[in-house]
Amino acid sequence: DVKVTQSSRYLVKRTGEKVFLECVQDMDHENMFWYRQDPGLGLRLIYFSYDVKMKEKGDIPEGYSVSREKKERFSLILESASTNQTSMYLCASRGTSGDSITDTQYFGPGTRLTVL
Amino acid sequence: GQNIDQPTEMTATEGAIVQINCTYQTSGFNGLFWYQQHAGEAPTFLSYNVLDGLEEKGRFSSFLSRSKGYSYLLLKELQMKDSASYLCAVSNDYKLSFGAGTTVTVRA
Repeated sequence: DVKVTQSSRYLVKRTGEKVFLECVQDMDHENMFWYRQDPGLGLRLIYFSYDVKMKEKGDIPEGYSVSREKKERFSLILESASTNQTSMYLCASRGTSGDSITDTQYFGPGTRLTVL
Repeated sequence: GQNIDQPTEMTATEGAIVQINCTYQTSGFNGLFWYQQHAGEAPTFLSYNVLDGLEEKGRFSSFLSRSKGYSYLLLKELQMKDSASYLCAVSNDYKLSFGAGTTVTVRA
């Protein structure tokens, strides 16, 4: 069974604080993703990583950065948190088997971040 | 750009059938996924279509027409535990673009 864990289920931070969200997967997956989920907007891709130390911007990267120093861990960083970053943050991982396109993404339980 | 549309909400009775439609216009297409997400939980994989036609998996079936940019998820013999959000997602390489989700409420 694939397991994707996130460091916190709930987090409350103040405007201007630096925030770290951690994600760990135990399936040796190459690809990892960070999304945010907002009512009426669905899941939107912030950043993804296809290998260690490799990263690419998703659809809404502004105000975020990421780090992937080890294969199993992908961190999302809010350099200076703002109230419009209050959201549910979901991490996902995906393997690349022989039929890589069909490999589904497995999601972590999410971190509900509130920025005051 | 990516445009993926699905209805916001649907309500059905226990034991009935519900069909959730998804239409898409995307810059690339490698397949279409359906996920289920219960309130406060992570999305979980339900089905994947890459070729036109119907894929059946127990009480759930998913259909794809690539020429029409259209898919549906069919839920049969509805149970109370099927009350959840259902997310349509289009795959382009290894990235997914999601619709906003359809909240299905099953009533007794």
